[in-house]
Amino acid sequence: DSGVTQTPKHLITATGQRVTLRCSPRSGDLSVYWYQQSLDQGLQFLIHYYNGEERAKGNILERFSAQQFPDLHSELNLSSLELGDSALYFCASSPRAELYNEQFFGPGTRLTVL
Amino acid sequence: AQSVAQPEDQVNVAEGNPLTVKCTYSVSGNPYLFWYVQYPNRGLQFLLKYITGDNLVKGSYGFEAEFNKSQTSFHLKKPSALVSDSALYFCAVRDNSNYQLIWGAGTKLIIKP
Repeated sequence: DSGVTQTPKHLITATGQRVTLRCSPRSGDLSVYWYQQSLDQGLQFLIHYYNGEERAKGNILERFSAQQFPDLHSELNLSSLELGDSALYFCASSPRAELYNEQFFGPGTRLTVL
Repeated sequence: AQSVAQPEDQVNVAEGNPLTVKCTYSVSGNPYLFWYVQYPNRGLQFLLKYITGDNLVKGSYGFEAEFNKSQTSFHLKKPSALVSDSALYFCAVRDNSNYQLIWGAGTKLIIKP
């Protein structure tokens, strides 16, 4: 158990809908990273938050947004969903803004868009 | 451009034999290198890392990795494979411009009894 929690575990929704994925980092970690894992794209970095502020953006679509709250949990919002958004979404946490050590991954949320 | 390559989509090894999963990288500045493992329907788990120091790094579950600066490689190794080692393995390097990880495509390791 990495100490990172993600909810929900599974999510099934329809095209055009909006969903919110939630992540709680390990106790004491200030950084949260979001990743998308799909069969054809592999593991893609989406966005990084540190202590409530956005630090870096990766291949995140404009339809997607994220935030990190004062209690350090983070939410990833996916809107106007398309079939191609079906994937596993992981969050990871680490203690600092700069990555000097490993990230700790949550179990993931499997999103299915029908 | 900074990148990570895992040249093999799949590696098949007999149980008890040594295994190697290959990784090469391209990065500006000093490389920070990582190996992660992903079991089916699970999140990624950290195996080992190279930051500085000895070129041979030891990690979890009996895995080790050899950093080779001249060949820009960081191959994952294990002297004797177990069936339970079957999983998806990812190599990653830190992008020193934004401190994010650049991930390889992953290598599926299959250990046959």
